Amino acid sequence: AQSVTQLGSHVSVSEGALVLLRCNYSSSVPPYLFWYVQYPNQGLQLLLKYTSAATLVKGINGFEAEFKKSETSFHLTKPSAHMSDAAEYFCAVSEDFGNEKLTFGTGTRLTIIP
Amino acid sequence: KAGVTQTPRYLIKTRGQQVTLSCSPISGHRSVSWYQQTPGQGLQFLFEYFSETQRNKGNFPGRFSGRQFSNSRSEMNVSTLELGDSALYLCASSFPDADVTFGSGTRLTVV
Repeated sequence: AQSVTQLGSHVSVSEGALVLLRCNYSSSVPPYLFWYVQYPNQGLQLLLKYTSAATLVKGINGFEAEFKKSETSFHLTKPSAHMSDAAEYFCAVSEDFGNEKLTFGTGTRLTIIP
Repeated sequence: KAGVTQTPRYLIKTRGQQVTLSCSPISGHRSVSWYQQTPGQGLQFLFEYFSETQRNKGNFPGRFSGRQFSNSRSEMNVSTLELGDSALYLCASSFPDADVTFGSGTRLTVV
């Protein structure tokens, strides 16, 4: 069975500081990995996805993530935090790209300190 | 291009009642899936439909059911509601090999 583990249910960073949200995966097959963001009272918006084409993946809003097979990790980073980045972030895994059976992590709530 | 539309946005039901939630996928998308989001259990996959057939199912009791129509619109039904069914229910749609796009959800409160 596939799973993802997000370390840190709450992360706070100062505006302009580096954002690092951690995600480790467990999968018996090459995984497809995703990061989603959720703003209050809204659905999930796809930030970026890893589908084995490149290990460093760039997404929307200045976010990127690096797939490291040796560490089974897919951490999300952004060089400079903005107030609008405050939201909840979810890492997810699926067996196939386009497979809508996503397994989500427990989420990380990101707070930006002015 | 319109996104995934879920109706209603908010719903209050009494324990023991049943409820039907609706989802209209993005035009051209043939796959629709449903997720339940609660503070305690997080995001959990309910089921997925493709071309009117259930293709995947999560680990939920039989009180949770769904269907998909020929125009790809989907409904999910929960019978004999329990307090623990209070949640945000998210619908997502996809075209084969395309990104999964989520709707804004229906927030169900069971009292």
